[in-house]
Amino acid sequence: DQQVKQNSPSLSVQEGRISILNCDYTNSMFDYFLWYKKYPAEGPTFLISISSIKDKNEDGRFTVFLNKSAKHLSLHIVPSQPGDSAVYFCAASDRDNDMRFGAGTRLTVKP
Amino acid sequence: ETGVTQSPTHLIKTRGQQVTLRCSSQSGHNTVSWYQQALGQGPQFIFQYYREEENGRGNFPPRFSGLQFPNYSSELNVNALELDDSALYLCASSSGLAGGGGQFFGPGTRLTVL
Repeated sequence: DQQVKQNSPSLSVQEGRISILNCDYTNSMFDYFLWYKKYPAEGPTFLISISSIKDKNEDGRFTVFLNKSAKHLSLHIVPSQPGDSAVYFCAASDRDNDMRFGAGTRLTVKP
Repeated sequence: ETGVTQSPTHLIKTRGQQVTLRCSSQSGHNTVSWYQQALGQGPQFIFQYYREEENGRGNFPPRFSGLQFPNYSSELNVNALELDDSALYLCASSSGLAGGGGQFFGPGTRLTVL
């Protein structure tokens, strides 16, 4: 069951512009949402998270937005840099030990 | 501080065989979670071990089993391998039951079943 969906398998943006990665979920019991970044031959690394009591969390160039009524979250990267090129996974959890991941979006930032 | 390590890096097995994958958790972490990432998909939760006891399990059959040792390293065992078991297997360690951002992933073991 695909409870977390990333409908765009890939995204290409120009260096310096904004990257917007989207994620939808179906389980209304999810209360914690995360974004991970994955480079080839490495494990996913945690990027940013948001709990369901918030609608925005910002960390430097990265901002995550949560729209609970639409069951949608997005990750904004501003400005995008070539080093941001990676696969981005969104994940959701209703318990600490059961995270559900989306299929990932491959971001390419062109110089 | 040593990060999460996994061995082996790559593995090729044939259908019906058994496999053991290993994970060393990050220093100070007592919880290990295992995930299966099939090609083109996100990681799927297999199970978690906390202080040597299984502490939650995803939708995987019993032929997927695990162990956690007193030093908090962990093994994932898969019996009666099937072709669909071909995937990247990731382990993640954390301190206590901190999930989400408190989890640190290893680089994974790529298993190919022929």
